[in-house]
Amino acid sequence: DGGITQSPKYLFRKEGQNVTLSCEQNLNHDAMYWYRQDPGQGLRLIYYSQIVNDFQKGDIAEGYSVSREKKESFPLTVTSAQKNPTAFYLCASSWTGGHTGELFFGEGSRLTVL
Amino acid sequence: KQEVTQIPAALSVPEGENLVLNCSFTDSAIYNLQWFRQDPGKGLTSLLLIQSSQREQTSGRLNASLDKSSGRSTLYIAASQPGDSATYLCAVSEYTGANSKLTFGKGITLSVRP
Repeated sequence: DGGITQSPKYLFRKEGQNVTLSCEQNLNHDAMYWYRQDPGQGLRLIYYSQIVNDFQKGDIAEGYSVSREKKESFPLTVTSAQKNPTAFYLCASSWTGGHTGELFFGEGSRLTVL
Repeated sequence: KQEVTQIPAALSVPEGENLVLNCSFTDSAIYNLQWFRQDPGKGLTSLLLIQSSQREQTSGRLNASLDKSSGRSTLYIAASQPGDSATYLCAVSEYTGANSKLTFGKGITLSVRP
């Protein structure tokens, strides 16, 4: 079955630690995205990538980093520089880039900082 | 700056009722509008995508309409069922100069009572 797989589903981190969230898709989509979802707020874009080896900052990129070495993979690293990392993180992909294509989401990863 | 509003934030209806969920946006120069469903603790599932040139889209018991001039979209759910209970989000895609942007509403949490 085609889809987007995010792992881990739940992650606990101590302050000062970097953590990496995995996102893999087998939909052959060119574009991939990372969003953050907090209670009472809309989804906010962290980073996006329209093609391999290229990515752009979204609205809240500070304290995060990404890579896009393979078409199917777009991992997100939450660094110790992110001041408030506890949140629900969602990875998405689409056929076309530029935020104009139909978006398909993974099941999300919930990060809690202890 | 595009703003997407979904009111009310929560809605409770008895099973079998036909209902309408509203989405309003401030800038009518959009590329498309997408409706999503989100179950608690899960990712988003795409329901319907309406291009700016379209007036409506239908999928099963769901019908989404778009009125760009008034900055409104509605999601109509016919014969609601308890399984329809979820949060429904809309997202608007627009071009911003050389780039494009997707703006999400905060969602409407629907509860369908048996």
